[in-house]
Amino acid sequence: DGGITQSPKYLFRKEGQNVTLSCEQNLNHDAMYWYRQDPGQGLRLIYYSQIVNDFQKGDIAEGYSVSREKKESFPLTVTSAQKNPTAFYLCASRGYGASDYNEQFFGPGTRLTVL
Amino acid sequence: QQQVKQSPQSLIVQKGGIPIINCAYENTAFDYFPWYQQFPGKGPALLIAIRPDVSEKKEGRFTISFNKSAKQFSLHIMDSQPGDSATYFCAATSSNSGYALNFGKGTSLLVTP
Repeated sequence: DGGITQSPKYLFRKEGQNVTLSCEQNLNHDAMYWYRQDPGQGLRLIYYSQIVNDFQKGDIAEGYSVSREKKESFPLTVTSAQKNPTAFYLCASRGYGASDYNEQFFGPGTRLTVL
Repeated sequence: QQQVKQSPQSLIVQKGGIPIINCAYENTAFDYFPWYQQFPGKGPALLIAIRPDVSEKKEGRFTISFNKSAKQFSLHIMDSQPGDSATYFCAATSSNSGYALNFGKGTSLLVTP
């Protein structure tokens, strides 16, 4: 069963803590992405990676970090430097879809809440 | 700043109606324009996408119209159904940014029975 998995589905963080969100794909895609979704804001790009051991900052990278040690995995760490981390986090990978090779496939998301 | 502007923010239509959602962009380097559908608590799913070398693309009940000179594109949903009630996002991207998506802020669509 191919796709993108994200865990956990819900995550609660105390202020000052770092937390790591998991994203795994078995689609054999090279490119992976992290987006943040806030109500009424659409999705905004945090980081992306086009190949293993390489990644680029997106529009809102401050307070976040990533790694890409394996093709199938792209974890996101929300650090204590991120002042307003409560949001819905979506991971995506890009590859050949039904109609276009640029299709991005999204995971089910992780909802992070700061207590 | 928002690279893709989407309107309206919300839309209510009766079953069978044709909701239209509009998007505009400024960056002429964009060369791929997808539309995503999202249900509450779920990740977005690709509906339909278009490249700037065509003016219209139709897949099932969903149609994209694209106006390259005006830098605008729109989604039409034919014969809308209550099951189409969801949030719709337009996006734009190019190879310059590794095909990372620039999203509009979304349109919440409600189709009443």
